[in-house]
Amino acid sequence: GAVVSQHPSWVICKSGTSVKIECRSLDFQATTMFWYRQFPKQSLMLMATSNEGSKATYEQGVEKDKFLINHASLTLSTLTVTSAHPEDSSFYICSARTSWQDQETQYFGPGTRLLVL
Amino acid sequence: GQNIDQPTEMTATEGAIVQINCTYQTSGFNGLFWYQQHAGEAPTFLSYNVLDGLEEKGRFSSFLSRSKGYSYLLLKELQMKDSASYLCAAMDSNYQLIWGAGTKLIIKP
Repeated sequence: GAVVSQHPSWVICKSGTSVKIECRSLDFQATTMFWYRQFPKQSLMLMATSNEGSKATYEQGVEKDKFLINHASLTLSTLTVTSAHPEDSSFYICSARTSWQDQETQYFGPGTRLLVL
Repeated sequence: GQNIDQPTEMTATEGAIVQINCTYQTSGFNGLFWYQQHAGEAPTFLSYNVLDGLEEKGRFSSFLSRSKGYSYLLLKELQMKDSASYLCAAMDSNYQLIWGAGTKLIIKP
């Protein structure tokens, strides 16, 4: 299967600072990447769909000015949590869509655990 | 609206067989996915079905009935490491994944 990496794997920051999370597809090109967040014991919640070279599409209720997404190349998408607050503490997971054996599927990064103090 | 239903929690015994069901309603359909997620980790891909029938991959099999909007994941010869959440997701006409809430599978010795 395809490999997706995320960096950093976890981060602790002070309230009011900004945090950037990188998502890379290591062995394939991904025109579309997705950003999810997951609270403990809850399912994945899609935040936004990131398309290379265009603006991200945000899900209802997700503040685009707070969660900045940049998909600068076919292998890299970044999520920046601006002016982070304790309620932004969560597990952020990216995925990249690709076709494998003629099947459209998503491969997930390992996730980034964010703790805002 | 779009909706995925799967049981919240199931318990099974090591060495046994368990079937996790999933029903879905989506705007268009481009396949049904099963993912495994261990606590504190990201999901990992298990299976993909777009045609009716059973797909077998070792100890895991996945079944799809498009006419019934129904899928199941079958796990055989259960091992303790199979304790995890199993997420069902349907891909809609826009190729977006619609996620179920996940089924927590508890394996007992």
